[in-house]
Amino acid sequence: QVQLVQSGAEVKKPGASVKVSCKASGYTFISYYIHWVRQAPGQGLEWMGIINPSGGSTTYAQKLQDRVTMTRDTSTRTVYMELSSLKSEDTAVYFCARGGYYHDTSDYAYWGQGTLVTVSS
Amino acid sequence: QSVLTQPPSASGTPGQRVTISCSGSSSNIGSYTVNWYQQLPGTAPKLLIYSNNQRPSGVPDRFSGSKSGTSASLAISGLQSEDEADYYCAAWDDSLNGPVFGGGTKLTVL
Repeated sequence: QVQLVQSGAEVKKPGASVKVSCKASGYTFISYYIHWVRQAPGQGLEWMGIINPSGGSTTYAQKLQDRVTMTRDTSTRTVYMELSSLKSEDTAVYFCARGGYYHDTSDYAYWGQGTLVTVSS
Repeated sequence: QSVLTQPPSASGTPGQRVTISCSGSSSNIGSYTVNWYQQLPGTAPKLLIYSNNQRPSGVPDRFSGSKSGTSASLAISGLQSEDEADYYCAAWDDSLNGPVFGGGTKLTVL
């Protein structure tokens, strides 16, 4: 069965960086895009970006493109999302979600369990 | 401010039918299919409706979706207490080159 398993909760100070992992199993890793979506406490869903596990190409949300980097390791079937220069507003649960064969989809049937990132001095 | 507009709240009594609207523009709903998610507290979103009106396996037929022009709606019939959750609409957006979500609707079963 398809599974996306994320790394554990993180507590970071303002200005630091955080790297969250998302390990995929149960399907052909390079065939499906992976999206990252975050949710601040009590707020809605915010798309952060997308990575093509096949070639590693990425597209980031304009709001975050100066601070976010998404990478992948095909040998371990793992995708990473690194966010730098953290601010208190980055406190949120970060989700990875499996997209489709093509990049322009918004129907994500499989999600990671979420990783809480807390930014606090 | 979300790109897709949803009412912040909705409510109904058990057995009732409720609808949740989602309004967008030509660059998102007007050009792409709409998907709906259900999110229970502390859990990841669950895909409820895809391609405007399709239900993934396991989703009860009490849930239905529709789309017209730049708007979409989710209908829940035979409301049950377990339907109490947050609901989000989503669609790809050409202008932003990414998916956009509605702000979410909190459904309360009275």
